[in-house]
Amino acid sequence: GEDVEQSLFLSVREGDSSVINCTYTDSSSTYLYWYKQEPGAGLQLLTYIFSNMDMKQDQRLTVLLNKKDKHLSLRIADTQTGDSAIYFCAEDTSGTYKYIFGTGTRLKVLA
Amino acid sequence: NAGVTQTPKFQVLKTGQSMTLQCAQDMNHNSMYWYRQDPGMGLRLIYYSASEGTTDKGEVPNGYNVSRLNKREFSLRLESAAPSQTSVYFCASSDQGQGNEKLFFGSGTQLSVL
Repeated sequence: GEDVEQSLFLSVREGDSSVINCTYTDSSSTYLYWYKQEPGAGLQLLTYIFSNMDMKQDQRLTVLLNKKDKHLSLRIADTQTGDSAIYFCAEDTSGTYKYIFGTGTRLKVLA
Repeated sequence: NAGVTQTPKFQVLKTGQSMTLQCAQDMNHNSMYWYRQDPGMGLRLIYYSASEGTTDKGEVPNGYNVSRLNKREFSLRLESAAPSQTSVYFCASSDQGQGNEKLFFGSGTQLSVL
């Protein structure tokens, strides 16, 4: 069945890089996404990657995709306290209306 | 530029009570969704509406009903609330709902059922 897994917590020091990992099971996904949820707010799209790419860079964000292992990661360079949030990976299910979300990783940035 | 607006933000119900969560979007989007967020389980799709006049079940529809009142509004109803429905509920919308689309989320409704 469809399942997207993430580790629940990550703690880093300000200025370090953060790497948030995700594994998914639906090999037919067309796009994979990273969403950010700040306290008391809804989710906001951070970035996405097309399934035939293996890397995408967007300012401080780098997304890596390993299709063989069904592994997706989000690297945040020079992590700031404002990056503290919950990060969700998500996949679309082959052109349907269903987006499958991971469990979310709570990132805490220590000053 | 309101985006997706949900009401109420907080609600406490007793077991067996009913209520309707309201959602409206002002982006002229075709597709709208209701998700619930529970600790350690991510977001799970309750119902979605691909376009005005259509609704379909998601992953966890039991105990809920929805109405796509018009293109802007998509409501979620709990007919007889149960403690298992204690959760944070998010409404979302997207332009066409056909993949590679940004989902726009409301700020959520925190519901407690006692």
